[in-house]
Amino acid sequence: DARVTQTPRHKVTEMGQEVTMRCQPILGHNTVFWYRQTMMQGLELLAYFRNRAPLDDSGMPKDRFSAEMPDATLATLKIQPSEPRDSAVYFCASGLGSGNQPQHFGDGTRLSIL
Amino acid sequence: AQSVSQHNHHVILSEAASLELGCNYSYGGTVNLFWYVQYPGQHLQLLLKYFSGDPLVKGIKGFEAEFIKSKFSFNLRKPSVQWSDTAEYFCAVNAYRDDKIIFGKGTRLHILP
Repeated sequence: DARVTQTPRHKVTEMGQEVTMRCQPILGHNTVFWYRQTMMQGLELLAYFRNRAPLDDSGMPKDRFSAEMPDATLATLKIQPSEPRDSAVYFCASGLGSGNQPQHFGDGTRLSIL
Repeated sequence: AQSVSQHNHHVILSEAASLELGCNYSYGGTVNLFWYVQYPGQHLQLLLKYFSGDPLVKGIKGFEAEFIKSKFSFNLRKPSVQWSDTAEYFCAVNAYRDDKIIFGKGTRLHILP
């Protein structure tokens, strides 16, 4: 089974440090999504790409978060500087676009900011 | 804007009980509907989906959902739950031809052995 791969699975770091999370979408998928999951807010869409172009990042705090797709096999989500309130599980998902195809999720990065 | 409302945040059932999890969405146009499941410590997995046709959709592990357009609902059902169904369940909606899928806040299901 093709899978979305996320690294690292867990990250613990101190406030103020830069955090980079990586995602390898399923080969052939042209849409990539970044979600943040917390107990309080549930699953929030942070940003998404179609054919590597960023289409919507309205869910992302622009001053500290950035999302890129340097190539079709890699998506990155960076936080700089990190804050304790960024502690959450970050999921990447990929899909075939057009909405009527389900998204396939990675295992997530569990981020703890001390 | 689309939104999804899941009625129950937390449901506790005994094994063999019947399950129905409510989901309502708000969007006036054509939609695609999904139920995802997240087992403890794992990623979200697709349970079932509705795009068109028969409004009663059957998914994996004995789950089914019924799309009632007039009620903007897509409730998830299972006639007899098992302990292994303990998980969080997310209803999601996507507007036709839109890339984005909007998720509900989830329902945590706990099955007592």
